[in-house]
Amino acid sequence: AQKVTQAQTEISVVEKEDVTLDCVYETRDTTYYLFWYKQPPSGELVFLIRRNSFDEQNEISGRYSWNFQKSTSSFNFTITASQVVDSAVYFCALSEAENTDKLIFGTGTRLQVFP
Amino acid sequence: EAQVTQNPRYLITVTGKKLTVTCSQNMNHEYMSWYRQDPGLGLRQIYYSMNVEVTDKGDVPEGYKVSRKEKRNFPLILESPSPNQTSLYFCASSLLTGPGGTDTQYFGPGTRLTVL
Repeated sequence: AQKVTQAQTEISVVEKEDVTLDCVYETRDTTYYLFWYKQPPSGELVFLIRRNSFDEQNEISGRYSWNFQKSTSSFNFTITASQVVDSAVYFCALSEAENTDKLIFGTGTRLQVFP
Repeated sequence: EAQVTQNPRYLITVTGKKLTVTCSQNMNHEYMSWYRQDPGLGLRQIYYSMNVEVTDKGDVPEGYKVSRKEKRNFPLILESPSPNQTSLYFCASSLLTGPGGTDTQYFGPGTRLTVL
């Protein structure tokens, strides 16, 4: 069965610290997609990244980077030099090609960045 | 501007009073979906639609109805709301790229519903 686990419920850091949000997934499909979404205090869901199962290259976008490892079924998200504006709930999600585009979400990690 | 809109953004109602939450997208997306977000549970899919007049149940469809008469609109209907439907609701849309392909789902701003 498909499942996404975000074991870290809440993380607190001080500004400029690096922080890694963990995401572990389960799927039987060979073709699947992994996503990260950000939910700031205002409540909307902001798309951050989409990665397909055949592309294990790590990705960097500014202060954000993602580490995809199929061997450990993980898709971790690192924020370098965190800022107060990074404070949000972050969701990891899985979509299976055989499963009608449904997004299976983890329970989210609340990140608080203090000045 | 490409977007998914939802109305209303906030709603307080009473048990049993029918309500509709509207969702509209201007990106010509075939796929639309409703999710609910509850503390500790993340987001769960309620219903989805692959195209006009094609809808199907997600993981938590009980107590909800949907319709897809036009490509851009996908309203969520609660015919007899109950307190356990108090939640934050999101509509999402994406292109349908066919078997083996899933495009990114873009979300509306959310509707916070309270059922007393």
